[in-house]
Amino acid sequence: GENVEQHPSTLSVQEGDSAVIKCTYSDSASNYFPWYKQELGKGPQLIIDIRSNVGEKKDQRIAVTLNKTAKHFSLHITETQPEDSAVYFCAASSSGGYQKVTFGTGTKLQVIP
Amino acid sequence: DSGVTQTPKHLITATGQRVTLRCSPRSGDLSVYWYQQSLDQGLQFLIQYYNGEERAKGNILERFSAQQFPDLHSELNLSSLELGDSALYFCASSLGQGVNNEQFFGPGTRLTVL
Repeated sequence: GENVEQHPSTLSVQEGDSAVIKCTYSDSASNYFPWYKQELGKGPQLIIDIRSNVGEKKDQRIAVTLNKTAKHFSLHITETQPEDSAVYFCAASSSGGYQKVTFGTGTKLQVIP
Repeated sequence: DSGVTQTPKHLITATGQRVTLRCSPRSGDLSVYWYQQSLDQGLQFLIQYYNGEERAKGNILERFSAQQFPDLHSELNLSSLELGDSALYFCASSLGQGVNNEQFFGPGTRLTVL
């Protein structure tokens, strides 16, 4: 089955700096890569996703890059703000009519004001 | 608020017991997913239902079962509970069943097995 590794497990940045979280996956059939943000006491929330036919996707301060050859993808958050503090999960999924998602182990991001 | 509701919020029970977790999807969503989140195993996909039928199975134990009812709400049944079953259980829903459909997560049910 799919295996997703995520690094780092914790990340502290100063407000205004950038944060980068990296993930690798093992199954070359995976073609959908969502990123989730989980705030304390809440369920995960999709913040951005990328499909295997795209190398990069941006949404305001958040961007995701995908390298299919190397089987890794990254989340980039620029101009970090205290409200970005949360646990971030990467995930990988293959299509086939239904969605079976494998999650990374999570990165706890702390943005220091 | 994602629109997905889960009950109860907290559940404390003893080993060997059986519990039922309930999920109501967002209005109009046909797919329901169950996830388990524990400190040592992270977030793990358990099972997916689409319009009442099982669609995908993940790391769901044989002691666990789920179903989706005609009104589209879903229940996750956990039996012969063990200490290691203590975790947060999330339900998510999406409009369709494939990867083009964003999943919306509920607030979770925290299960504590003593």
